[in-house]
Amino acid sequence: GENVEQHPSTLSVQEGDSAVIKCTYSDSASNYFPWYKQELGKGPQLIIDIRSNVGEKKDQRIAVTLNKTAKHFSLHITETQPEDSAVYFCAASIRRDDKIIFGKGTRLHILP
Amino acid sequence: GAVVSQHPSRVICKSGTSVKIECRSLDFQATTMFWYRQFPKQSLMLMATSNEGSKATYEQGVEKDKFLINHASLTLSTLTVTSAHPEDSSFYICSAMGSTDTQYFGPGTRLTVL
Repeated sequence: GENVEQHPSTLSVQEGDSAVIKCTYSDSASNYFPWYKQELGKGPQLIIDIRSNVGEKKDQRIAVTLNKTAKHFSLHITETQPEDSAVYFCAASIRRDDKIIFGKGTRLHILP
Repeated sequence: GAVVSQHPSRVICKSGTSVKIECRSLDFQATTMFWYRQFPKQSLMLMATSNEGSKATYEQGVEKDKFLINHASLTLSTLTVTSAHPEDSSFYICSAMGSTDTQYFGPGTRLTVL
């Protein structure tokens, strides 16, 4: 089955700097790659997603890149703000309506 | 955006009792709902997938007789943890998917079994 690896497990960046989180997946059939933000004691919130027919997608300060040949995808957050502090999960799925396999998460700390 | 609620948000129960957790899609019809379990500082682990009106599909290693899932309507799915034990203490999260094929997650239910 699908296996999603995520790095780093913890990331601290200065406010205003950029943060990058990287993930790899194992199943070449995976076609849908969502990213979630989870704040303490809350459920995950979808922040951006990308499908395998697209190499890059951007939404304001958040961007995701996908390299299907290498089977890795990354989340980029620019101009980080204190409210960006949270745990971020990457995930992979064969289809949008299929079960999602999550990475282990990255705890992002934005330093003042 | 689509809203998914869970009830209760927190529950404490004694070992051996059963606990029911509700997951509702408030403003859309959910053909599929998913149940996850999350231990502290860990990722979400899928427990089961439920489609309205049919039996749930459980992931390997998840006991279907212990974690009873019912998806009787397009807006409600329930997870019942039967004969709960301390090792069942966890954060249980549901997600619901409608016609847009995007999963929307609920706020989670923290279960503590004494």
